[in-house]
Amino acid sequence: EIVLTQSPATLSLSPGERATLSCRASQSVSSYLAWYQQKPGQPPTLLIYDASNRATGIPARFSGSGSGTDFTLTISSLEPEDFAVYYCQQRSSWPWTFGQGTKVEIK
Amino acid sequence: QVQVVESGGGVVQPGRSLRLSCAASGFTFSGNGMHWVRQAPGKGLEWVAAIWYDGSSQYYADSVRGRFTISRDNSKNTLYLQMNSLRAEDTAVYYCVTQRISDQDYWGQGTLVTVSS
Repeated sequence: EIVLTQSPATLSLSPGERATLSCRASQSVSSYLAWYQQKPGQPPTLLIYDASNRATGIPARFSGSGSGTDFTLTISSLEPEDFAVYYCQQRSSWPWTFGQGTKVEIK
Repeated sequence: QVQVVESGGGVVQPGRSLRLSCAASGFTFSGNGMHWVRQAPGKGLEWVAAIWYDGSSQYYADSVRGRFTISRDNSKNTLYLQMNSLRAEDTAVYYCVTQRISDQDYWGQGTLVTVSS
């Protein structure tokens, strides 16, 4: 099973700042990595798939990069609605797995 | 519009069984793979199981393999998760999720399963 490690666990930032979230895989997942955003009481929303492709309706301030074992989700300028928990997920091999999540909180 | 609606959750004793259902609409169900993902209270996401569009292949997380069975009825546009030998650690909200359709995937609101005596 591929283990995904996200860092940091918590990111404390102010609106307008840049957020950089990391996801590291225990072995290569090529580009088969997705990012999700989850707000309290809601199901997750797909942000990025195949490492760098934005899902439908996702603002351009969200971008993904990386391949192999190291991936980054960048939020260029945080909006109030972006404070949430973010998960990475690998879709390279079964079983699919999620990282443990990064909480982006208001500083 | 695409919609998936889970049902069948509830309170069940350890060791007992429960079957979840997911009713799908707004897309070609028989042409898409489907997944179950769960989330224990206050915890992160855990992928549980997947099934191919025609039901020919199934995949499971190590934590549920041998106890849970994913299946589908394409004539009813419905996905199932049969959960046997339930444990306290299976307590979670269970989400039904579509395979990516174009540039998006779709999640239901989830159904809560509580395993407790």
